[in-house]
Amino acid sequence: AQTVTQSQPEMSVQEAETVTLSCTYDTSESDYYLFWYKQPPSRQMILVIRQEAYKQQNATENRFSVNFQKAAKSFSLKISDSQLGDAAMYFCAYRSGLGGTSYGKLTFGQGTILTVHP
Amino acid sequence: GAVVSQHPSRVICKSGTSVKIECRSLDFQATTMFWYRQFPKQSLMLMATSNEGSKATYEQGVEKDKFLINHASLTLSTLTVTSAHPEDSSFYICSASRTGGTGELFFGEGSRLTVL
Repeated sequence: AQTVTQSQPEMSVQEAETVTLSCTYDTSESDYYLFWYKQPPSRQMILVIRQEAYKQQNATENRFSVNFQKAAKSFSLKISDSQLGDAAMYFCAYRSGLGGTSYGKLTFGQGTILTVHP
Repeated sequence: GAVVSQHPSRVICKSGTSVKIECRSLDFQATTMFWYRQFPKQSLMLMATSNEGSKATYEQGVEKDKFLINHASLTLSTLTVTSAHPEDSSFYICSASRTGGTGELFFGEGSRLTVL
């Protein structure tokens, strides 16, 4: 079974600064996807960024980028120019690339609460 | 974009009663829907995978007789918490995978259940 580990229960950053959230995972599969989701106080899950395991290039979405180290099974999220609206709980998630009736099933890490200080 | 709607967003019920939560995909068909449970400041725990027209697949440790899941159409899945007790109080989130899509999940807004 796949596992996802986020070792930072809480992180904080000053507005406009950069912060990196860590995530490691364990899998024996070669085809998979990794995600970072944001959950603000509203509890709505918001997709921040997605990485396909077969792609060597790290995904970026505006101020959000990842450092995907496949051999080390590491998938960290970097938030640049942090904004007050970035304050939320962030979840790292894994999805198998295999099909079947559980296609789309996500395994989540424990989450990291990010606080942004003005 | 794909929209998933959950209803109700908040529900309070008495102990021993049953509560139904609906999860609808508004602008796409969803062969597969997932139900998660989340305690405060904790991660999302997958409860079950719901496939249209077939029985749900429950995760280990989840009581299938307590949490009844029905996926009767390609746009609707329901979670019924039967004979609810205070320990069932939690935040329940559904997500849906678009039929024929890439497997990307779209999440509902969640439903907060409080059992008195």
